[in-house]
This record gives sequence, structure tokens and C-alpha cells, in this order.
Amino acid sequence: DTGVSQDPRHKITKRGQNVTFRCDPISEHNRLYWYRQTLGQGPEFLTYFQNEAQLEKSRLLSDRFSAERPKGSFSTLEIQRTEQGDSAMYLCASRTGQGEGEQFFGPGTRLTVL
Amino acid sequence: ILNVEQSPQSLHVQEGDSTNFTCSFPSSNFYALHWYRWETAKSPEALFVMTLNGDEKKKGRISATLNTKEGYSYLYIKGSQPEDSATYLCAFLNTGGFKTIFGAGTRLFVKA
Repeated sequence: DTGVSQDPRHKITKRGQNVTFRCDPISEHNRLYWYRQTLGQGPEFLTYFQNEAQLEKSRLLSDRFSAERPKGSFSTLEIQRTEQGDSAMYLCASRTGQGEGEQFFGPGTRLTVL
Repeated sequence: ILNVEQSPQSLHVQEGDSTNFTCSFPSSNFYALHWYRWETAKSPEALFVMTLNGDEKKKGRISATLNTKEGYSYLYIKGSQPEDSATYLCAFLNTGGFKTIFGAGTRLFVKA
């Protein structure tokens, strides 16, 4: 399967712990997005990479969130000192660099903060 | 603030009914509008990418129209089937930005 993959699929953690999620995009896609989705809402934009450069980050994102894409391939999203409000589905998507094309989504990582 | 609104929030129809949903988005700085279908336990999948005012796209029983001047798009499903049950998301892309702003979705339930 050459689609977008995410790991882990589920994560349960205690409040205050740090967590890290990984996203492997489709190999020829140079654009990568992270989203957060909570019940009854659509995906909320978190951050965007073009190759290894992080070009945009949501102003709603606290300093506890950081994302990297060191070699322009896979990306990681880290949440430090997790809070119960961080419980959500974290989605990764990728696409080619041409025009306004569709995004291809991974299966998501479901985070539960106890 | 970029806001994308979808209505209705949810919809229950009988198999064979035709239905439509609305997506409203900012009418300025429009670049593209995407429609996605998100089935339970799966990833969102793109249905349409729309860029031109007056665009109309079709895929099987599903079609979509676009009005960029007034900032809305309609998604139509003809003869709904139980397998059409899903959340339908629209996403707005504006010029010069990298963000994709999603609506909250319309949750469709099709009863056999």
C-alpha cells in the first residue's frame, strides 16, 4: 500500500506526558499537512510543510505543539505536557506540489489524554 | 477570519431519495474548493476539486456546483444508497495561503 500512513493509530497517555506521532506521506508528495479533528467538527488545520520547510503554523496552536519534517519525507508531531483538551484525532495529509490538487489523508492517530 | 459553513449538519434519507448539501465560504481570495467523503473508520477521500466559477463536476450519482462570486457550493447525490452514508466535508483554499479550511461536514445517513 503506497498511501499515507500514520503511527501509532491509537495513543492513550496520562496528562502531562509527551507524545509523538509519525506520518509517512506518499513518496512523491512534497506537501504535507497536519490536522486535528474533534467530534462534530471538520479537520482543523495545524501546520503545513513544503519539503522540509514548515511554511505555516496555525495561530491556535500552542507552544506545546511542534512538528518537523527533517528530510522532506516523513513528519513528526510532538505534543508536550499533554492536556485533556488535546484528546482528538490527529490527521496527516499529503499532496503533490502542482496547483490546487486534492489531499490524500492517512488513517489518523486517535489520542486520548486521561 | 476564514469561515466555512456547511448545512445541514446531518441528514437522514431513505434509499432512493435524492439529496443536496451546501457549503458556504469566503467569496474573496478564492483559489479552490474541495469536497471529501469521510466514511466511518476510514480516511477522508477526495470527491471533487473545483476552481472555476460555474464549475459543475460529476462522479457517478454525485455532482457538485460552484459559485465563487457568492461563495457557495452544492453537492448533490441522486438516488441515495446506504453505501453513501458518510460525512461530506468541503474545504476552502485561498490565494496566497497554504491553509485548507474545512467545514464541520454534513453527516448523511441513508436508510435501506
